[in-house]
Amino acid sequence: SQKIEQNSEALNIQEGKTATLTCNYTNYSPAYLQWYRQDPGRGPVFLLLIRENEKEKRKERLKVTFDTTLKQSLFHITASQPADSATYLCALGSSASKIIFGSGTRLSIRP
Amino acid sequence: DVKVTQSSRYLVKRTGEKVFLECVQDMDHENMFWYRQDPGLGLRLIYFSYDVKMKEKGDIPEGYSVSREKKERFSLILESASTNQTSMYLCASRLSGGETQYFGPGTRLLVL
Repeated sequence: SQKIEQNSEALNIQEGKTATLTCNYTNYSPAYLQWYRQDPGRGPVFLLLIRENEKEKRKERLKVTFDTTLKQSLFHITASQPADSATYLCALGSSASKIIFGSGTRLSIRP
Repeated sequence: DVKVTQSSRYLVKRTGEKVFLECVQDMDHENMFWYRQDPGLGLRLIYFSYDVKMKEKGDIPEGYSVSREKKERFSLILESASTNQTSMYLCASRLSGGETQYFGPGTRLLVL
């Protein structure tokens, strides 16, 4: 069956360092992959989308890579700040019908 | 900006009660979704709707039904609430053919 794994349930890093979150998937051939941010008690908010034919995407301090051979995406936040503390969800889509979400990684940035 | 609103942020119901969760979006999106989110399980799709009066079962539809009489409104109904339906419920909308989903703030439901 299709499976998405965000292999760190929680990640704690020092302010200013680069946070790297991982999303792995199996039994799936996505057309695109998305990353969302979710704050406690809130709904997820879309951050970035990367397509299967793209290797890397950047947006300000965020960078996403997508390796369809390894079936893996890496999400980087450079120069991390305490305000970046949140849960980050990856999501895979293969058509415009529905997407599948991972369970999330809770990121904490300590001052 | 897309705005998705949900009728309640917190709800407490008794076992056996009929529960209505309402979701409204203001961007004329065709597609709407209902998820539940539980610790360690991520977001699981309950039902989705491609357009008015259309509905499709998601991955965990048992115990739920939906209604989409108007384009902007998608309702989730728990016919007879049970304690295992205690969860965070999230509604989302998306433009037809689009990829990004826009989420509401969520309803935290407690069934006693």
